[in-house]
Amino acid sequence: DQQVKQNSPSLSVQEGRISILNCDYTNSMFDYFLWYKKYPAEGPTFLISISSIKDKNEDGRFTVFLNKSAKHLSLHIVPSQPGDSAVYFCAASAQNSGGYQKVTFGIGTKLQVIP
Amino acid sequence: DTEVTQTPKHLVMGMTNKKSLKCEQHMGHRAMYWYKQKAKKPPELMFVYSYEKLSINESVPSRFSPECPNSSLLNLHLHALQPEDSALYLCASKKQLGGERQPQHFGDGTRLSIL
Repeated sequence: DQQVKQNSPSLSVQEGRISILNCDYTNSMFDYFLWYKKYPAEGPTFLISISSIKDKNEDGRFTVFLNKSAKHLSLHIVPSQPGDSAVYFCAASAQNSGGYQKVTFGIGTKLQVIP
Repeated sequence: DTEVTQTPKHLVMGMTNKKSLKCEQHMGHRAMYWYKQKAKKPPELMFVYSYEKLSINESVPSRFSPECPNSSLLNLHLHALQPEDSALYLCASKKQLGGERQPQHFGDGTRLSIL
């Protein structure tokens, strides 16, 4: 049962344009959402996060939007640069009864930014 | 540069061998994690340590044995592994297990191949 879904396995975007990566989730208990970027032969690198009490968080070229009613979040990268080419993982966490925030990851979307 | 260091980067071992994976962080984080990631799949949680004590074991087979000798180090001892255990093993750390929402920081992983 995939609680965090990234339905697009890959995305190609021209340099300078906007990249939009999408993520859907099913568990309404998720209250913290994260995006990680992963280059080949490296571990995931934290990019940006958003709490469920917000609907937008911005950090430089990266903006995450959260639509709780639709259980949907998206990552916008503007402008896209060739160095942004990587696999992007969406992740979500919920606090369980033991006070532990378990993180569930999506399967990833491979972004290619074409120069 | 990742602040979570994993060694070795690659490991090939036979099914009867005993080996260990090592993870180190000097960020003062008190929660440390082991994940397993197969190709084209999201990371799957294996173990969580909080203040050097095992807090979560996600029903991992006993051929994987974690150890947290101090607040900076996390080991994963391997014995009698199966070919299906071949995967990327990722270590992560976080300031604390519960409380305020924070991201986990990942190492670059150990690519493990079982012959």
